[in-house]
Amino acid sequence: DVKVTQSSRYLVKRTGEKVFLECVQDMDHENMFWYRQDPGLGLRLIYFSYDVKMKEKGDIPEGYSVSREKKERFSLILESASTNQTSMYLCASRPPGQLAKNIQYFGAGTRLSVL
Amino acid sequence: AQSVTQPDIHITVSEGASLELRCNYSYGATPYLFWYVQSPGQGLQLLLKYFSGDTLVQGIKGFEAEFKRSQSSFNLRKPSVHWSDAAEYFCAGATDSWGKLQFGAGTQVVVTP
Repeated sequence: DVKVTQSSRYLVKRTGEKVFLECVQDMDHENMFWYRQDPGLGLRLIYFSYDVKMKEKGDIPEGYSVSREKKERFSLILESASTNQTSMYLCASRPPGQLAKNIQYFGAGTRLSVL
Repeated sequence: AQSVTQPDIHITVSEGASLELRCNYSYGATPYLFWYVQSPGQGLQLLLKYFSGDTLVQGIKGFEAEFKRSQSSFNLRKPSVHWSDAAEYFCAGATDSWGKLQFGAGTQVVVTP
């Protein structure tokens, strides 16, 4: 079974702190994604990466950055956390190639509260 | 703009009753469409997907969905719900087989005894 593991289920941080959300997948997938999930808005893509050291902005990248130094690990960074970044963050991974053949797998999520 | 819309934020259904969740899409061409389920405390799990061919798609957990081009819809159905079907359901689309998924806002399903 594919496993996408997010290191923290719950996180509480203070405004202005630098926050790291970690995601690890064990299936050697090239593609990895970070989403935020908010009630009434569904999932919105923050950043994605299709290879080590490669990244592309998603729909809402402002206030976030990412790091992909190793294939299995994709980190989301909040340089200076703000209260409007309080949300559920979901990581996903997928093999390269067509969606028809490759399922996107999700982690259980990290619920971040910024006070 | 290309998008996926789920008109119902919240649905309550009795155990054993049928369930239908609506999803409408707005894409220029036939999109690639998906239904995911998120149980409490869990990540998203793929229920089914549509790319081409037969417009009635069977998925896991007894779910099916029907693609209707004329109505720009991809509604999810289950003939008889179980208490374990209480969850949030997301419809998602992509414009090509290599593309990024766009998600609807989700529909929360509550199952009553």
